[in-house]
Amino acid sequence: GQNIDQPTEMTATEGAIVQINCTYQTSGFNGLFWYQQHAGEAPTFLSYNVLDGLEEKGRFSSFLSRSKGYSYLLLKELQMKDSASYLCAVLDSNYQLIWGAGTKLIIKP
Amino acid sequence: DVKVTQSSRYLVKRTGEKVFLECVQDMDHENMFWYRQDPGLGLRLIYFSYDVKMKEKGDIPEGYSVSREKKERFSLILESASTNQTSMYLCASSVGTGDTGELFFGEGSRLTVL
Repeated sequence: GQNIDQPTEMTATEGAIVQINCTYQTSGFNGLFWYQQHAGEAPTFLSYNVLDGLEEKGRFSSFLSRSKGYSYLLLKELQMKDSASYLCAVLDSNYQLIWGAGTKLIIKP
Repeated sequence: DVKVTQSSRYLVKRTGEKVFLECVQDMDHENMFWYRQDPGLGLRLIYFSYDVKMKEKGDIPEGYSVSREKKERFSLILESASTNQTSMYLCASSVGTGDTGELFFGEGSRLTVL
């Protein structure tokens, strides 16, 4: 079966760095997405990786290793507004999105 | 900015009632999707549509139907609501063929079935 694994919850301190991991086992691979979802709000797009390596976008970076079935989202200089759930999703060989359950990130002052 | 609007943020219905959830997008997107979101589970696809009057079943279509009479509007219908359909329902759209698949979501409709 197809599976996306990410930690259920993580806690970090304001100003610090946090890495949210995502491992996947899917039938084929056509890209990996990260979305951010604040409580009670719509998920919003953060990043898309289809090639191996690190993509940096401001305070957020996303890394992909296709051979390892692994990605991470790196958040630097954490702010209180970064408290949210982070959703990992993989586009499989049929171009269907397979979603992880999300990681709830709690930022403490 | 793309805007995806869902008609109701919160609904409370009784078992057996017919429920309509409406979704409208304003960016001429080809693709529209309905997901449900439950605690501890990833988003699960109910139905999707790549064109007007076209619909495809997702992973969990049982108990649901959809309608896409106009390009901008995608409706989710629960013919006879049941308590196990209590959930957050998310509508999304994406550009269409050849795009990366980035989804634009509405803010969700939280449905409680009593």
